[in-house]
Amino acid sequence: ILNVEQSPQSLHVQEGDSTNFTCSFPSSNFYALHWYRWETAKSPEALFVMTLNGDEKKKGRISATLNTKEGYSYLYIKGSQPEDSATYLCAPPSGGSNYKLTFGKGTLLTVNP
Amino acid sequence: DSGVTQTPKHLITATGQRVTLRCSPRSGDLSVYWYQQSLDQGLQFLIQYYNGEERAKGNILERFSAQQFPDLHSELNLSSLELGDSALYFCASSVGAVREQYFGPGTRLTVT
Repeated sequence: ILNVEQSPQSLHVQEGDSTNFTCSFPSSNFYALHWYRWETAKSPEALFVMTLNGDEKKKGRISATLNTKEGYSYLYIKGSQPEDSATYLCAPPSGGSNYKLTFGKGTLLTVNP
Repeated sequence: DSGVTQTPKHLITATGQRVTLRCSPRSGDLSVYWYQQSLDQGLQFLIQYYNGEERAKGNILERFSAQQFPDLHSELNLSSLELGDSALYFCASSVGAVREQYFGPGTRLTVT
């Protein structure tokens, strides 16, 4: 079973704060790392798929970096807004398959207005 | 709206019964994935199909089966249902491997 760890488990920030959280995964046999955002009562929404060591991707105020050699990825949110409140999930493929994602338990972000 | 549709939205059934959940992927997506989210559990990968063929399997129970049809829609069949099968079942689709997966709205199954 692939061990995917996300930290912190939960985070409360004030509107306007910048924040970041971590996804750790086994660095061997790396294929790709997916980041998803999951708002309460909605479906997970894809943020990024990262494949290359040193990769950095950005979507609006959200960005992510990837270190495949040490097995971690950071997700950054600049100037958090209440609408950023969600659970952020990372998922590397596992089991020798590019398709089989193993999701971490996520970081629950709450942005207070 | 992700473009992935799932029916039904809610399903309430009794133990021992069999149900079928249906998923239509986004136009052009050949891969369909099924996930289960139980209470206090994260998203658990069940099974994946690519253009009609099974490509990856997770910890899917033997009582569960799935298929993808020539029109690319997929069905997840759950039989001999138990209380513990109550969960939110998501379908997702993607163009292929190492690409974003687009999730449907989910089917909430309640087994009483």
